[in-house]
Amino acid sequence: NAGVTQTPKFRVLKTGQSMTLLCAQDMNHEYMYWYRQDPGMGLRLIHYSVGEGTTAKGEVPDGYNVSRLKKQNFLLGLESAAPSQTSVYFCASSQEGSGANVLTFGAGSRLTVL
Amino acid sequence: GQNIDQPTEMTATEGAIVQINCTYQTSGFNGLFWYQQHAGEAPTFLSYNVLDGLEEKGRFSSFLSRSKGYSYLLLKELQMKDSASYLCAVSDSNYQLIWGAGTKLIIKP
Repeated sequence: NAGVTQTPKFRVLKTGQSMTLLCAQDMNHEYMYWYRQDPGMGLRLIHYSVGEGTTAKGEVPDGYNVSRLKKQNFLLGLESAAPSQTSVYFCASSQEGSGANVLTFGAGSRLTVL
Repeated sequence: GQNIDQPTEMTATEGAIVQINCTYQTSGFNGLFWYQQHAGEAPTFLSYNVLDGLEEKGRFSSFLSRSKGYSYLLLKELQMKDSASYLCAVSDSNYQLIWGAGTKLIIKP
C-alpha cells in the first residue's frame, strides 16, 4: 500500500519556467491538499479539493493552480515560477475534512527556483 | 489573528522525559493534533485531542486544556529515534487546520 506518492522529489527551475507536481493516493480518500513548508513557519495550505472535479483556495494560493480530474490524483501547477516559491511542497489526503481527520502526507517535493 | 506557539528547539537526554508545549489562539476550536516529522520526511500523525485531559498512547501522551488554549506532548523513555520535529495543529471553527512552526527535538546519548 503506497499511500500518498509525490513526483518529482526534487526540481530546480529558473525564474519564469513552469512545472507541475503530481500527487497520487491509493486510499480512496475524498479530500486532498497541497501545503508548502518553509523554515520557521508552519505548514501553509495552498489549495485543496473535497472530491473529484472540485478545487478550492487555501491560505496562500497566488501563483499556483490545481486540478483534480481523477479522485486519486491532485496536480499542483506553477505557471511562472518565482524565487519566493522555493519551498518544500507536501501533498496530503484524508477520508473526510482535515479539521477532525488524520492527514496522510506524501514524502515531499523540494523545489528550488533560481 | 490566529496563532500557534511552540518552542523552536529543545534538547533532552536518551531515556529521559520531555514535554513539548503548544499554546494557541484561534477562532473556534475543533480539536488539536500532534504530528512527528523526521528531517527530510513527511509528517506522521501522533495524537488528537478534542476534550480536556490526557490521552496516552504508549510512550507518548498528549494533554489538552481548552480553557487555557494549551496542549503538551509528553515523550517518555526517550530514544534516539525520537529526534525529530513535532508539529502542533489546531482545527478552527471552519475545520481548517492552523499549524505551528514545529519544535525540533534533539536527543543526546
